[in-house]
Amino acid sequence: GAVVSQHPSRVICKSGTSVKIECRSLDFQATTMFWYRQFPKQSLMLMATSNEGSKATYEQGVEKDKFLINHASLTLSTLTVTSAHPEDSSFYICSARGLQGTEAFFGQGTRLTVV
Amino acid sequence: AQTVTQSQPEMSVQEAETVTLSCTYDTSESDYYLFWYKQPPSRQMILVIRQEAYKQQNATENRFSVNFQKAAKSFSLKISDSQLGDAAMYFCAYRSATNDMRFGAGTRLTVKP
Repeated sequence: GAVVSQHPSRVICKSGTSVKIECRSLDFQATTMFWYRQFPKQSLMLMATSNEGSKATYEQGVEKDKFLINHASLTLSTLTVTSAHPEDSSFYICSARGLQGTEAFFGQGTRLTVV
Repeated sequence: AQTVTQSQPEMSVQEAETVTLSCTYDTSESDYYLFWYKQPPSRQMILVIRQEAYKQQNATENRFSVNFQKAAKSFSLKISDSQLGDAAMYFCAYRSATNDMRFGAGTRLTVKP
């Protein structure tokens, strides 16, 4: 299957700072990328969907000013957690799908810890 | 909105035996896709099998097969000849024609040697 690389895999940041997570499709053009949040022992909750060159569509309850998503190219999407707080600590996963793709391919995930 | 329900939080199977994981979904659409993903302790999501709603034939991938009942909106996963490496969280997922994917709550599968 196609490869999606997510970086960093782990990050610890201080409360009040911002952290950026990158999601790259390595061998295909990702026209659509998805960002999920996963709490311990829970399912993946869709945060937002982004199409290349367009503004992201956020799910209800997700603060767009706090979770900034950029999808400026067909191979890269970024999620920036702004003014992070301990309650933002979680596992964040991206996935990407090509124009004709049926399934989405997942990155390795990023464990964010805000101290 | 589409919902995906996995009613079995945990399942256990003896090595080499067969186990079936249940999934139901709710939708008003006629064109969609269904998936089963595996998430091992590494937390990397791995696609196990997928099913297009317009296909009547049940998908099969080696030891993994599905029982897709469109009218009942049911999509169960059967794992045959279970192996220790099959132990993981399994998520059922629904992808609508409008592109977003929704996941069930997951089933934790334990394989006993």
